[in-house]
This record gives sequence, C-alpha cells and structure tokens, in this order.
Amino acid sequence: EVQLLESGGGLVQPGGSLRLSCAASGFTFSSYAVSWVRQAPGKGLEWVSDIGGTGHTTYYADSVRGRFTVSRDNSKNTLYLQMNSLRAEDTAVYYCAKHLPGPFDSWGQGALVTVSS
Amino acid sequence: EIVLTQSPGTLSLSPGERATLSCRASQSVSSSFLAWYQQKPGQAPSLLVYGASIRATGIPDRFSGSGSGTDFTLTISRLEPEDFAVYYCQQYGGTPRTFGQGTKVEIK
Repeated sequence: EVQLLESGGGLVQPGGSLRLSCAASGFTFSSYAVSWVRQAPGKGLEWVSDIGGTGHTTYYADSVRGRFTVSRDNSKNTLYLQMNSLRAEDTAVYYCAKHLPGPFDSWGQGALVTVSS
Repeated sequence: EIVLTQSPGTLSLSPGERATLSCRASQSVSSSFLAWYQQKPGQAPSLLVYGASIRATGIPDRFSGSGSGTDFTLTISRLEPEDFAVYYCQQYGGTPRTFGQGTKVEIK
C-alpha cells in the first residue's frame, strides 16, 4: 500500500524558514516523480513544485520560485520542501503527492504551515 | 499558464440525482491530460479520473469523464451519500499544473 507521510509543519514568523519532509513507502520511490500541492484555509488546490525520480528535474510555481527548493533523498525514500522567506500568503496545508505518472494518484494527509507574527 | 474554470461553483442535488460538472480551459489541454479529484472535508484529495475519461483504480462506474481540447465534463450518474464533496479538475500536460477552483456538490 502506498503511503505518504508529511512532517515538519508548524508556526513560523514572516521571513522565516521551514523544511517539510514527506516519507514514502509501498512503492519504488526513485521510479516516480512527486509533487507538492498546497491548500490555503478554505481555498482550492495550488500546485507548488515537481521533482523527477532522479531529482535532476524540478519545476516551481511562480509564487514560490526563488524561495522554495524541492529535493529528494531516494536512499531514504523521502521528499523535502525547503521554504525560505515565508509570507503570510504561504499559510496552507501542504500535501505531497505521487505521480501516476502524470496525475497525482496518491496523496499524503498534509502538513499545516502557518506564517504569522 | 492554462487557466481552468469550473462551473457551477456549487451544485445542490439530492441522492440519486445526476450531477454534471464542467471544466473549461483557457487553451487546449494537450493529449487530454486532464484529471478530476474528489476532496471531502478534512481529507486529502483523491484521484477519480485521468486522461479526461479513464477512471482511476477502484473508482465506481457511476463516475465518468468526457471531453477534449478546452471543454471537459465529470458526470456522476446517480449520487450516493458519500459523493457529496468538492471536485477539482487539473491539467497535467505541462507546468504549472493548474487546478480549477472547484465545484462543491452539496445535499439539497
């Protein structure tokens, strides 16, 4: 059974940093691209970032490019999202999601990030 | 960037009725790389349909997707109590992988 488990969320001040992790199991992690998707409170889904199976290919939404960095450690079956220069508008539940490939066929339960002073 | 517009914003229906949800793209979605997701309160989204019309594993056949180009539809033939939720379309043919704003299907 595919499982994705996010961790590392919490309260951070504007301008601060946070690193999210997503531990994967139940599939050959290195064979699949994975993504981060976020959802602000009461709002819709927003794609944040993609990373290919080897980690060499990454993509970002304009809203986070230059501030967020996606990476993965295939030896640990773990996906990361380093978030710097956080803003109030980054407040959201952050989900990691596995590609089918293409669409996202498995999602984690989400990690809440709150940016507030 | 491909903008996806879903309509209606809210659909009020009774169990047993048919639901028709629309997703319109600002430009053609390549190779019908269009997916639909269901999200229930407090839960992560789950994949229903991809490739515009292919049901994901375990999805009942009352869910069907159709369309191509810029116009796509998700149909729920007979609503079950567990189908009342928010539905999102997504294009995954390129980046950014945009989502529609969602359609809430609520009990009338």
